[in-house]
Amino acid sequence: AQKITQTQPGMFVQEKEAVTLDCTYDTSDPSYGLFWYKQPSSGEMIFLIYQGSYDQQNATEGRYSLNFQKARKSANLVISASQLGDSAMYFCAMRGYNYGQNFVFGPGTRLSVLP
Amino acid sequence: GAVVSQHPSRVICKSGTSVKIECRSLDFQATTMFWYRQFPKQSLMLMATSNEGSKATYEQGVEKDKFLINHASLTLSTLTVTSAHPEDSSFYICSGRNSGNTIYFGEGSWLTVV
Repeated sequence: AQKITQTQPGMFVQEKEAVTLDCTYDTSDPSYGLFWYKQPSSGEMIFLIYQGSYDQQNATEGRYSLNFQKARKSANLVISASQLGDSAMYFCAMRGYNYGQNFVFGPGTRLSVLP
Repeated sequence: GAVVSQHPSRVICKSGTSVKIECRSLDFQATTMFWYRQFPKQSLMLMATSNEGSKATYEQGVEKDKFLINHASLTLSTLTVTSAHPEDSSFYICSGRNSGNTIYFGEGSWLTVV
């Protein structure tokens, strides 16, 4: 079975500061992908960043970077230079490529950026 | 990029009526579509997986007679909430998987049953 854990139900960060959103996962699938999505109040799911289980380097996309520690089964999202528009729910998700094709989502972290 | 469109984005219906939500892949063929439900301040929960031309596979605890899913074409899947009740009020979101195994999410649909 696959499981995603996000232990921070809510986070606050000062504008222009960096913030780390935690994500740990559990899977028996040897090949998997890890995803982070942003969900603003409108509800849509906005893809942020992807990390494959066999990728050697940590993924980066603009202000987003993924701190992937495979041995610890963690995939934390780092947002640098926070902006007010970053306030949203953030979901960590994974897909196993050998045993399953569906997404498993974590409970989410609500990030609030303070001016 | 690929786009998945959901319609309606917001719908209010009376208790006891049925409501249909459409999920369309606009520029790719989605052999598989997924339907999720999200309760307030909670994560997305997979309801069912639908493959074009075959019956949907429902997750445990999801009533297939209440949440009817049809995937009649490679670009359209529909979710019909039958005999809706206030507890069915939720945010429903779909996603489609293309031949390259990439999944794209729709914008979601807010359902309010009054």
